[in-house]
Amino acid sequence: DQQVKQNSPSLSVQEGRISILNCDYTNSMFDYFLWYKKYPAEGPTFLISISSIKDKNEDGRFTVFLNKSAKHLSLHIVPSQPGDSAVYFCAASDDGSSNTGKLIFGQGTTLQVKP
Amino acid sequence: DVKVTQSSRYLVKRTGEKVFLECVQDMDHENMFWYRQDPGLGLRLIYFSYDVKMKEKGDIPEGYSVSREKKERFSLILESASTNQTSMYLCASSSGTQGYTDTQYFGPGTRLTVL
Repeated sequence: DQQVKQNSPSLSVQEGRISILNCDYTNSMFDYFLWYKKYPAEGPTFLISISSIKDKNEDGRFTVFLNKSAKHLSLHIVPSQPGDSAVYFCAASDDGSSNTGKLIFGQGTTLQVKP
Repeated sequence: DVKVTQSSRYLVKRTGEKVFLECVQDMDHENMFWYRQDPGLGLRLIYFSYDVKMKEKGDIPEGYSVSREKKERFSLILESASTNQTSMYLCASSSGTQGYTDTQYFGPGTRLTVL
């Protein structure tokens, strides 16, 4: 059973507009959420994270929003740039994985930003 | 910068062969992970290790084993490769000092094809 779900396999936006990537989770024990970005032929790289005690975290053009009651998080990229075209993975962890740092990943969303 | 390297970028093997995938990290990290990435399924954890000679099964360990004889090296072994093990294999490491908020750092991946 998929505990972290990204229901949109792909998203296409115009350069300069906002990209919104969504992620849903089912396990209410998850306390910490991360977004990773992956270019073809490269490993995923950490992008931004949010703790369950917050509802928003911002880092430059990237903002992650968390709605705990809905078990939903989203990544906003404003403004979108062609270099943002990549696969984005949502991931979650809980404090039960204290020393292992084990993550549960979603299926990924492929973002294409058109010039 | 954290560096995680994987021994091969591309590998082609025959059904029934024993396959070794090697991963090395240079940041003295405690935790190491092996994932496979498949379209529509995201990243799925095969095995992880939180200390030398310690290992735990992830979500899909069947058909795989691992070895961690030294802290910096984590090997994934396919005892008898099968065509359904054709996939992208990603290794990751994390410090083990941040608990469930640890960031994982990924290698570039090995694209394994089993014929």
